[in-house]
Amino acid sequence: KAGVTQTPRYLIKTRGQQVTLSCSPISGHRSVSWYQQTPGQGLQFLFEYFSETQRNKGNFPGRFSGRQFSNSRSEMNVSTLELGDSALYLCASSSPGDKGYNEQFFGPGTRLTVL
Amino acid sequence: LAKTTQPISMDSYEGQEVNITCSHNNIATNDYITWYQQFPSQGPRFIIQGYKTKVTNEVASLFIPADRKSSTLSLPRVSLSDTAVYYCLVGDTGSSYKLIFGSGTRLLVRP
Repeated sequence: KAGVTQTPRYLIKTRGQQVTLSCSPISGHRSVSWYQQTPGQGLQFLFEYFSETQRNKGNFPGRFSGRQFSNSRSEMNVSTLELGDSALYLCASSSPGDKGYNEQFFGPGTRLTVL
Repeated sequence: LAKTTQPISMDSYEGQEVNITCSHNNIATNDYITWYQQFPSQGPRFIIQGYKTKVTNEVASLFIPADRKSSTLSLPRVSLSDTAVYYCLVGDTGSSYKLIFGSGTRLLVRP
């Protein structure tokens, strides 16, 4: 099976712009989660989508949004970019396992730099 | 969600066994304990998960005492490629797909 793919891998934007990141989960996985990783704050949960519905949400401002399509692919959007949004954005997909727990599979991430 | 505490960093040498302990005093009945590994500029990778006693897979063992207030990840015979950050997570992963990562333990394996 192909792993989680994220596009683009690298992105440079300027303050005030908006950006859209894409994530394709592992085939058959219906849950997609997004995380932000920065040196100062570490790995932080953004939101999780399941069957096109946002099921969990972290503590991020409304500038961060996402959506999931019927094929489980997901996008996240950040509007009005700020310097502090520079980070590695990670997407993870998962599916309930037969052992009663889920294992999240992470993609390689999108490195966003805001100038 | 239970808060976890683990050492900030650890040093080891190739071929040694490494044990990383995680404290989670407020673990709930439905919580599982999960460990992830992360290399620089890559996404975390699932290592092992357990609920109680001992779990072993091809890369690691997880020891959980009866009170479940702590857990120990054991990496047998580490190599240089095991240098990474290791995260301990506690949560009801059966119903929630929201992972809460702490600061992790930075393991450095020396030749």
